[in-house]
Amino acid sequence: SQQGEEDPQALSIQEGENATMNCSYKTSINNLQWYRQNSGRGLVHLILIRSNEREKHSGRLRVTLDTSKKSSSLLITASRAADTASYFCATAALYGNKLVFGAGTILRVKS
Amino acid sequence: DTGVSQDPRHKITKRGQNVTFRCDPISEHNRLYWYRQTLGQGPEFLTYFQNEAQLEKSRLLSDRFSAERPKGSFSTLEIQRTEQGDSAMYLCASSLASGRGGTEAFFGQGTRLTVV
Repeated sequence: SQQGEEDPQALSIQEGENATMNCSYKTSINNLQWYRQNSGRGLVHLILIRSNEREKHSGRLRVTLDTSKKSSSLLITASRAADTASYFCATAALYGNKLVFGAGTILRVKS
Repeated sequence: DTGVSQDPRHKITKRGQNVTFRCDPISEHNRLYWYRQTLGQGPEFLTYFQNEAQLEKSRLLSDRFSAERPKGSFSTLEIQRTEQGDSAMYLCASSLASGRGGTEAFFGQGTRLTVV
């Protein structure tokens, strides 16, 4: 079963616009991670945010975490065509060691 | 290339045949994970190892699936008597266990299995 749910399922924007994806989860977590997957390829780790952190930045990426609402968001600023991919959130449970993935958001950036 | 490597990248097999996939993790990583991913879905956890010990298996993992990690290095995933429903991308990932907070997992490119 998948713990995380991403929203929206699909997002289409113009190059240069910002893209925001949301993730909700159900159980207490140790950390939450975001991954990117290009079509038919493996997953690439983007950013990890720990349960005691509220916001984290990495280049054009900004991730927030609200543990009271059990939700996270990923913001990609100034999007590029190369950002076109599926984006997944994954949670590491408080007393577990595996990552549980959501179904992902498909992002399409039009040039 | 010092990333996670998986072999083969693609496998087509007839229903009922056995298949085996190999994963070579990043050398210093002590955790190794297997996931399965079908079209339009996120990766689904199958099993994970810490060193050579298999510490967790998904209830989704039927008796036809077996994984090993001899000597805590590479890992193999075998599917016996394959069924069409086994068609999927099989992903391997590795990470370094840490005392707190967890660390990111690094994924291989996957093995795409097609059962005909």
